[in-house]
Amino acid sequence: EAGVTQFPSHSVIEKGQTVTLRCDPISGHDNLYWYRRVMGKEIKFLLHFVKESKQDESGMPNNRFLAERTGGTYSTLKVQPAELEDSGVYFCASSQGTGSYNEQFFGPGTRLTVL
Amino acid sequence: AQSVTQLDSQVPVFEEAPVELRCNYSSSVSVYLFWYVQYPNQGLQLLLKYLSGSTLVKGINGFEAEFNKSQTSFHLRKPSVHISDTAEYFCAVNEPRGAGNMLTFGGGTRLMVKP
Repeated sequence: EAGVTQFPSHSVIEKGQTVTLRCDPISGHDNLYWYRRVMGKEIKFLLHFVKESKQDESGMPNNRFLAERTGGTYSTLKVQPAELEDSGVYFCASSQGTGSYNEQFFGPGTRLTVL
Repeated sequence: AQSVTQLDSQVPVFEEAPVELRCNYSSSVSVYLFWYVQYPNQGLQLLLKYLSGSTLVKGINGFEAEFNKSQTSFHLRKPSVHISDTAEYFCAVNEPRGAGNMLTFGGGTRLMVKP
């Protein structure tokens, strides 16, 4: 069974440009999460989808970030326009079902560098 | 709000020596606790988890952790490390949020095993 995949693995863009990150969760996983690790800091929650619906986007830093999950399958996270402080590693995770605990399976992350 | 503190950002250790990676958390509610490992160029992999029951939890690759409620700690231990254990280790707590579960991570501890 394929794990969570993320594309691209690395992205280098200039300040002011737009970047779109993609996450493909494990097949059948309704829950999809985005996290981010800014250099030297903790991994922080960004948002959570259940199927195509945003359940919790309390961690999104500002309105330059837009996440979508059309059709409840893969998800995209767009940053427009990118700023220097957006540099970091963006992780996606998926889990099956709901309830008090469901293990989250993580992808390898996308390393974003904004110059 | 929950928080997780990993007291050591880096831990150098010689091969076959024991190691302890420290983790303290703060939470006003019952928690689920996790240790994740990230090997170079890979995603986060679950090492072990504490949900309930025995406070001594065994995980993969010979690691174990002990949940101590009175000290709000969840330290990770291994009696004898290998070069292949060189990686970054993250302690996390689970916070149920509606239909999902948000993970709150510590800052990570980089374990460096030397020959």
